[in-house]
Amino acid sequence: DTGVSQNPRHKITKRGQNVTFRCDPISEHNRLYWYRQTLGQGPEFLTYFQNEAQLEKSRLLSDRFSAERPKGSFSTLEIQRTEQGDSAMYLCASSLAQGLSLGYGYTFGSGTRLTVV
Amino acid sequence: AQSVSQHNHHVILSEAASLELGCNYSYGGTVNLFWYVQYPGQHLQLLLKYFSGDPLVKGIKGFEAEFIKSKFSFNLRKPSVQWSDTAEYFCAVNQNTGGFKTIFGAGTRLFVKA
Repeated sequence: DTGVSQNPRHKITKRGQNVTFRCDPISEHNRLYWYRQTLGQGPEFLTYFQNEAQLEKSRLLSDRFSAERPKGSFSTLEIQRTEQGDSAMYLCASSLAQGLSLGYGYTFGSGTRLTVV
Repeated sequence: AQSVSQHNHHVILSEAASLELGCNYSYGGTVNLFWYVQYPGQHLQLLLKYFSGDPLVKGIKGFEAEFIKSKFSFNLRKPSVQWSDTAEYFCAVNQNTGGFKTIFGAGTRLFVKA
């Protein structure tokens, strides 16, 4: 299966600890997105990459959050000094797009469920 | 700011009933529109999409959606639902102007009674 892979599937951490999630997109896809989803809500945009460049960050992404996509392949999302409010499902998606105006749909991973205790 | 509004949070139908899920968006420019589905225990999957052309688009599993530009709507329909359609459905909008993020609605949970 060459879908989007996210690891770990579940993460339980104590408040104040740092956590890092990994996303491996579909290899041909040049765009990679991170979203956060809480119970009863749709996915909320966090950030996205075009190849290795991080082109947009949501205001939801505080200074404690950082994302990277070295060499335009896999991506990591790190949360420092976790808080209980960070508990959510973190979703990664990828897409293939060319130019500025193509809006292909996303292929989502299964997500990483973070619980901060 | 762009937003997506889904009218119903929960819908319960019997098998063979017709389905229509409402979706309105706030952006006035050119948009791409999507419906995603999340079956229990599975990840989000693309159900159908509209970029341009015929405003009535057909997706997988007998679903279709109609884009009505004047109403800023993109409602999802299925003539006859099945128990296996039980899932959460998300409407989403993407600006067609180089903005790359997609905005999602809050979702509608559909439960189909056998």
